[in-house]
Amino acid sequence: TQLLEQSPQFLSIQEGENLTVYCNSSSVFSSLQWYRQEPGEGPVLLVTVVTGGEVKKLKRLTFQFGDARKDSSLHITAAQPGDTGLYLCAGVVTGNQFYFGTGTSLTVIP
Amino acid sequence: EAQVTQNPRYLITVTGKKLTVTCSQNMNHEYMSWYRQDPGLGLRQIYYSMNVEVTDKGDVPEGYKVSRKEKRNFPLILESPSPNQTSLYFCASSLVRGRSPLHFGNGTRLTVT
Repeated sequence: TQLLEQSPQFLSIQEGENLTVYCNSSSVFSSLQWYRQEPGEGPVLLVTVVTGGEVKKLKRLTFQFGDARKDSSLHITAAQPGDTGLYLCAGVVTGNQFYFGTGTSLTVIP
Repeated sequence: EAQVTQNPRYLITVTGKKLTVTCSQNMNHEYMSWYRQDPGLGLRQIYYSMNVEVTDKGDVPEGYKVSRKEKRNFPLILESPSPNQTSLYFCASSLVRGRSPLHFGNGTRLTVT
């Protein structure tokens, strides 16, 4: 049983399009992190959200933590080929244990 | 440069032949962890360590061992590898578990035939 479900699993879009990736759970998280992983490398942290309803922006990426702290979304505006990669959400639960989502593989076509 | 170093990057072995994947971090992090990454399953935690001489099972510990004799090193040991342990393995560390970001190594791709 996967604690965190991400959707979509795969996404292929044209350069310049917008997209949203979702990370959902029935569990409440004390915080949630988003990572990006490129081929041949380990995941790298993009952002941490802590407060329900929190919105954080990182250039063209907008991250939102759900009000009930059970879900999160990542929105990318005007996607670029450099955004290509595997996006992973990771929730922190009681005991400070990390649980990773299933991942969303994004391909941005020039 | 702050980093987590795993070795080897690629490893092909046969069933039953003991192997060790090394992991070292130079950031003085307390928390270290091993994950395996499989298609459609995401990252699953194998073992973790809160500090020296303190280790605990993650979600998929069967068939693996770890040790934490020094703060910087956290090797993953497969005493008798089997084909279902073919996977991409990542070591990660953080300053404090759950309260600071995870820093990952570049992965070890293991194939057991």
